[in-house]
Amino acid sequence: QSALTQPASVSGSPGQSITISCTGTSSDVGGYNYVSWYQQHPGKAPKLMIYEVSNRPSGVPDRFSGSKSGNTASLTISGLLAEDEADYYCNSYTSSSTWVFGGGTKLTVL
Amino acid sequence: QVQLVESGGDMVQPGRSLRLSCAASGFTFSSYGMHWVRQAPGKGLEWVAFISSDGSKKYYADSVKGRFTISRDKSKNTLYLQMNSLRADDTAVYYCAKDFDASWCLDYWGQGTLVTVSS
Repeated sequence: QSALTQPASVSGSPGQSITISCTGTSSDVGGYNYVSWYQQHPGKAPKLMIYEVSNRPSGVPDRFSGSKSGNTASLTISGLLAEDEADYYCNSYTSSSTWVFGGGTKLTVL
Repeated sequence: QVQLVESGGDMVQPGRSLRLSCAASGFTFSSYGMHWVRQAPGKGLEWVAFISSDGSKKYYADSVKGRFTISRDKSKNTLYLQMNSLRADDTAVYYCAKDFDASWCLDYWGQGTLVTVSS
């Protein structure tokens, strides 16, 4: 149950686009379309942003999008806003019937 | 609206036990699987355990297997996490979360309860 690999930090200016990668194995990210992404602001509970690789729950802006290629999933945020500054975590269902999170990525909006 | 409220967090000594509770409302509790997720101070999220809607299936992270037990009481709309043989590295905020049916993700989260394991 090794954690999925995410970059520790990414940054972008308002209005720009950024992409956060999430690398796993064929036993998790590569084996299932059950990759989800969570946003967490300091001191707050995580919030679901993307599920099943690329689906947005109602209420999540379409500036947030997800994709997957092989063992790597990606979250793209376009038209960056100051309020997007937060920690982002990917998650995948695994072949062991467990779930695994990525280590988290701190997004800084410059 | 969906509400999940955790309770039971406390400071305990290593080797002791603690039971966390998560009171659920705003949805049909008995129809959904539920998760526990934890976050050590300043660290990332770690998935801990899952229980199916009817309680028949339970899965655990290797780090807690054999020490923690997840359970649920549909009459009380409450999820539990029994934690035994606690260690210093179990110190974390513990969140309960609702499973998003058939999508294997966590769509609603509580605000968390802090467990501190220290002598």
